Amino acid sequence: EAGVAQSPRYKIIEKRQSVAFWCNPISGHATLYWYQQILGQGPKLLIQFQNNGVVDDSQLPKDRFSAERLKGVDSTLKIQPAKLEDSAVYLCASTEQETQYFGPGTRLLVL
Amino acid sequence: AQSVTQLDSHVSVSEGTPVLLRCNYSSSYSPSLFWYVQHPNKGLQLLLKYTSAATLVKGINGFEAEFKKSETSFHLTKPSAHMSDAAEYFCVVSLSGGYNKLIFGAGTRLAVHP
Repeated sequence: EAGVAQSPRYKIIEKRQSVAFWCNPISGHATLYWYQQILGQGPKLLIQFQNNGVVDDSQLPKDRFSAERLKGVDSTLKIQPAKLEDSAVYLCASTEQETQYFGPGTRLLVL
Repeated sequence: AQSVTQLDSHVSVSEGTPVLLRCNYSSSYSPSLFWYVQHPNKGLQLLLKYTSAATLVKGINGFEAEFKKSETSFHLTKPSAHMSDAAEYFCVVSLSGGYNKLIFGAGTRLAVHP
């Protein structure tokens, strides 16, 4: 069974630029999550989707971050404009029977 | 409110010796608890999970954890460390309410020396 796919794996941008990350969850998983993991910390939930609806986006900085899951399958997370403190690994996960399966993440460096 | 505290940010052991990574949780409900491992430049991998069945949970790669409600603990152990166990380990609690929201601890970095 294929796992959670994410792209790109690495991205370097300058502050104030925009960036987008893509995630394709495990087939059949209705729930999809985006996490931000800053170096030296545990992952922090940014947004949770159930099919194509948002369940929880209370930790998403909505002035600069946006996410969508239009067809209830793959998802895109966007940052515009990026700040230095957005440098982190962005993880995508999907759920089956209360277990979350994580993708390899996208490592973002903002200069 | 639910939370997780990993008591050690770094643990160092010699190969072949036991591993103990400590975790305490706070939860208003009967929690679901997990341990995840993260190797450098790799995604998070589930080691084991507790979901109100047996209190001693066995996971992959010889790891196990014991749920102790009286101590609000969920420590991770392994009888004999291997060099490949060197990684970051996260203790995680799942919020109730059907939304499966995970709260991660800050992580424990395990170093294994020859």
